[in-house]
Amino acid sequence: QKEVEQDPGPLSVPEGAIVSLNCTYSNSAFQYFMWYRQYSRKGPELLMYTYSSGNKEDGRFTAQVDKSSKYISLFIRDSQPSDSATYLCAMSAAGGTSYGKLTFGQGTILTVHP
Amino acid sequence: DSGVTQTPKHLITATGQRVTLRCSPRSGDLSVYWYQQSLDQGLQFLIQYYNGEERAKGNILERFSAQQFPDLHSELNLSSLELGDSALYFCASSKGTVNTEAFFGQGTRLTVV
Repeated sequence: QKEVEQDPGPLSVPEGAIVSLNCTYSNSAFQYFMWYRQYSRKGPELLMYTYSSGNKEDGRFTAQVDKSSKYISLFIRDSQPSDSATYLCAMSAAGGTSYGKLTFGQGTILTVHP
Repeated sequence: DSGVTQTPKHLITATGQRVTLRCSPRSGDLSVYWYQQSLDQGLQFLIQYYNGEERAKGNILERFSAQQFPDLHSELNLSSLELGDSALYFCASSKGTVNTEAFFGQGTRLTVV
């Protein structure tokens, strides 16, 4: 079983829809939670970063972390065709060399139709 | 443009060969991370260097090695290449040792034939 599980989709939504992307994890040591967006043939781009539990909002994006359930989510409001990409969740533990080791989910492919 | 430069963009080589991938981090960044992305394994952390020293190690094969030079650029050496090593190799960099705000390069696509 992978440490981080993410539904690969693909997910297809109409423009303006609210998108919900999720990851579950098994390692209770994870403290830092990130969401990356990756366009085709490009490197991942950091969207949101959250420490421990709670919510964080940045424009149309909201990240939620529920450590008790080992579950994280990314919500995209008013989705746009330019949001079409692969979304990757990533996590790391805290302390020492753990800070440098990111564990990624498989990525969810999202397509937003005009 | 993230500011992280990787060369070459594409590489095709034969099994058993050795290749070197190069990464120049963003100006001022001291940490360099290497990742491998394949269809079956996803994005996997290989190794981190901080200011010239190895900082953290992930699922890096013994046939692979890396180093970070005094000018902070890094190289990933892949030897005795196998078909299964075909993948996208990404480099990322950050100012400190924490990988929460790392910026990724565009990657090197390696094809082993």
